[in-house]
Amino acid sequence: GENVEQHPSTLSVQEGDSAVIKCTYSDSASNYFPWYKQELGKGPQLIIDIRSNVGEKKDQRIAVTLNKTAKHFSLHITETQPEDSAVYFCAPKEGKLIFGQGTELSVKP
Amino acid sequence: DVKVTQSSRYLVKRTGEKVFLECVQDMDHENMFWYRQDPGLGLRLIYFSYDVKMKEKGDIPEGYSVSREKKERFSLILESASTNQTSMYLCATTGQLNTEAFFGQGTRLTVV
Repeated sequence: GENVEQHPSTLSVQEGDSAVIKCTYSDSASNYFPWYKQELGKGPQLIIDIRSNVGEKKDQRIAVTLNKTAKHFSLHITETQPEDSAVYFCAPKEGKLIFGQGTELSVKP
Repeated sequence: DVKVTQSSRYLVKRTGEKVFLECVQDMDHENMFWYRQDPGLGLRLIYFSYDVKMKEKGDIPEGYSVSREKKERFSLILESASTNQTSMYLCATTGQLNTEAFFGQGTRLTVV
């Protein structure tokens, strides 16, 4: 079955620093690679995604990079702000919607 | 905007009770999912459904069942609630398999 691992499980950065979260998956058939952000008291929401024919995608301060050969993709957040504090999930997908264990990001002012 | 609505935000039930958690989506999506979320364990898939009257077991189906009689509604059933089922339950839906998932706001269930 699918195996999805996210690292780190917690990440604390100073405001303005960059944050990187990595997701490793086992299913070579995966071709859709999204990242979700979950704020306190809410369900997760999609913040960025990438498909297997693209290596990198950027949307303002956030970016996703994909290494399909090595079966991992990463979320990059630059110039972090306190409102980036949340739990982030990856969900590499082909069929079932399986999530990583989550990364709790804390941005300290 | 896609709306995914879970019937209750907070629920307290007694051990042994039969519990129904309802999820309704208004975007005519085929795929619906139920997860439970516990600290340190992320989102674990309980059951999912790709169509009306169709269901598939996820990673932790024990102690749960589901019902999908209509396309817009996916119900999670705890046949006999136990204290280890105290958790946050989240419903999600997708239109096609490899597209964005939309989540409900979650139901925090406490079994006493």
